[in-house]
Amino acid sequence: DAKTTQPTSMDCAEGRAANLPCNHSTISGNEYVYWYRQIHSQGPQYIIHGLKNNETNEMASLIITEDRKSSTLILPHATLRDTAVYYCRWGNSGGSNYKLTFGKGTLLTVNP
Amino acid sequence: NAGVTQTPKFQVLKTGQSMTLQCAQDMNHEYMSWYRQDPGMGLRLIHYSVGAGITDQGEVPNGYNVSRSTTEDFPLRLLSAAPSQTSVYFCASSYGPMSTDTQYFGPGTRLTVL
Repeated sequence: DAKTTQPTSMDCAEGRAANLPCNHSTISGNEYVYWYRQIHSQGPQYIIHGLKNNETNEMASLIITEDRKSSTLILPHATLRDTAVYYCRWGNSGGSNYKLTFGKGTLLTVNP
Repeated sequence: NAGVTQTPKFQVLKTGQSMTLQCAQDMNHEYMSWYRQDPGMGLRLIHYSVGAGITDQGEVPNGYNVSRSTTEDFPLRLLSAAPSQTSVYFCASSYGPMSTDTQYFGPGTRLTVL
C-alpha cells in the first residue's frame, strides 16, 4: 500500500479551522487521495476524497497541491465532536479499496 | 439500513480457544474486508472478499480464516487464539472495489486473549 506521512497529533481551538496535512509524495497520476476519521472506539468514517481538484462536501474541504504530492484536509469550524484520528490514504482508481490499509493518522484534539 | 454490524462487541478468550467474529451488512455490498487495529497503530488488512464464494488474504492473515457463503455475511474465525491476537477488529464493506467507492465500517469487536 502507498505510504503517507501525517503528523502524529495536532490541537485546534473550538470554532477555528483545523488544517490537517498529508504528504503522499509518491502518488501517481491516477490515484485518489482519501480521508477517513476514527472517533474513539468507533469504526473509521469516510470524509472526502479527491484526485487533483479541490473538493468540498458537508463535512470538510480537501486541498490538493498542484504537484499532488501533498494535501490538506480542512474542517472549517471545528467542534469538540471532531476530536478523532484522521487518516489520509491513497490508492489507484483502478485498484482495490478493500486492499488499502491505514497508517497511524493524526490525532486531532479540539479544545474548548 | 443497519449498515455494517459486528458481534460480539467484546470477547475474552483463553489461549488456544477458537471463536468466530460475525460481520453482516444489509447494503448488498459485494466487497468486504476484515481489519485489526492495535494500540497506536493504524488498521491492518487481514482478509477480504470480492463476492460470495471468493476470499483472499490481506497483510496479516496468519491465524485467521474467512468464508463468504452469502453476500451479507463475512465471518472471521480464529482457529487457536493467541495473546498476539488481542486487538480491535473491524469489518468493512463497499459497493464496488474501486478506490472511489466508500468503505463503510462496523463498530468493531474488542478481543482479549489471555
